Parts: sequence; C-alpha cells; structure tokens
Amino acid sequence: NAGVTQTPKFQVLKTGQSMTLQCAQDMNHEYMSWYRQDPGMGLRLIHYSVGAGITDQGEVPNGYNVSRSTTEDFPLRLLSAAPSQTSVYFCASSYSVGPSTDTQYFGPGTRLTVL
Amino acid sequence: KNEVEQSPQNLTAQEGEFITINCSYSVGISALHWLQQHPGGGIVSLFMLSSGKKKHGRLIATINIQEKHSSLHITASHPRDSAVYICEGSGSRLTFGEGTQLTVNP
Repeated sequence: NAGVTQTPKFQVLKTGQSMTLQCAQDMNHEYMSWYRQDPGMGLRLIHYSVGAGITDQGEVPNGYNVSRSTTEDFPLRLLSAAPSQTSVYFCASSYSVGPSTDTQYFGPGTRLTVL
Repeated sequence: KNEVEQSPQNLTAQEGEFITINCSYSVGISALHWLQQHPGGGIVSLFMLSSGKKKHGRLIATINIQEKHSSLHITASHPRDSAVYICEGSGSRLTFGEGTQLTVNP
C-alpha cells in the first residue's frame, strides 16, 4: 500500500490564484480530512469527509472547498489564494467513520506559500 | 483556551535520559492520540488511548481519565527520538496540542 499520498509537496502561488491540493489513499478508508499546520497553532481541521459524497466543515473552512467523489480521493481547492493561507497542509485518513477510536494515517504534507 | 494543552513546549535531553511529555485535556474528549512529527514533516500516529496504559518498544503512554491527563514517556532516549510530539484529543471534534519539540543530544 502507498498509504496516504499528497501532491504537490511544495507550491508557490500569487494572491488570487486558485489551485487544488491532491490527496489519495489506497487503504479503503472511509474517513478523510484536511489540516493546516501553522507555527504556534498546532494542527487545525479544515474539512473532513465520512465517506464518498459526504463532506463537512472543520474548524477553519473559509477559503477552501472539498469534494469526495470516490473513496480514494479527497482534493482540497483554494479558490482565490491569500497570504493567510501560507501554511503546511496535511491530509489524513482512518478506517472508521469517526477517528476517535482509530489510528489516523497522515500524508507527507504540502508546503504552500502565497505571495 | 485550547481544549488540549501540552507541556513542555521544548525539551532537550541527553541520550539515555528518561523523557516525559504531558498533555491535559478538557471535558468532552473521549480519546487521546499521541503523534510524532519528524524533522522532515511526516506525521505518524504512535498511540490511541481511552484508558490505562500502552507500550510500544521504548515508548509508553498513560492516561488518567479522572484527572484528564495523559503522559508520553520515552525510556533510554536516543537522538533519533528527536521530533515534535503532538497530543490529539477526540471528542465531538478533533483538537490538537501545539506540540512538544524534543531534542536528544548524543
């Protein structure tokens, strides 16, 4: 298994540009989520999905969209990038619908800089 | 106020020392996860605890439900243990501590 994969690893955008961060897992996990990690803030949940066709907002959803058309893929879209979205983004997945009793598997992260 | 508080923020130890990282959490959190983030950025789940104690190699995690407190211990620490250790609380939502930067010097 490749586990959780994310692309790209690094990205530089200009303010106002849009882009999609890709996330895929091959473990048949139902639960997938996106986090951003900023210095002094810890990991914060952006959006999550409990299965194909179902998504919901996390703690910091503004400026981001997600979709879950398949079990494997959970892309994160930045509609109009802002410097405040400069961060490291992690995708994670777990088998059960809720992660409270299950191990989460994290992708390697995407380091995004918005100029 | 964060629902999960970790201490210390930074910890430096000599190889071989016994290390403890603490995590306090608020009402509503039903399970605690300990994560390890390596200098390269990758995050690995170490333990999930809802009660008692778990051990994996030189790592031991404990949780006290009444006191809402969990600890991660590393015995016979090694430079390769140098990483950020993150406490994650699961309840109605996930909440993360800010992490503890551990440096183990040879």
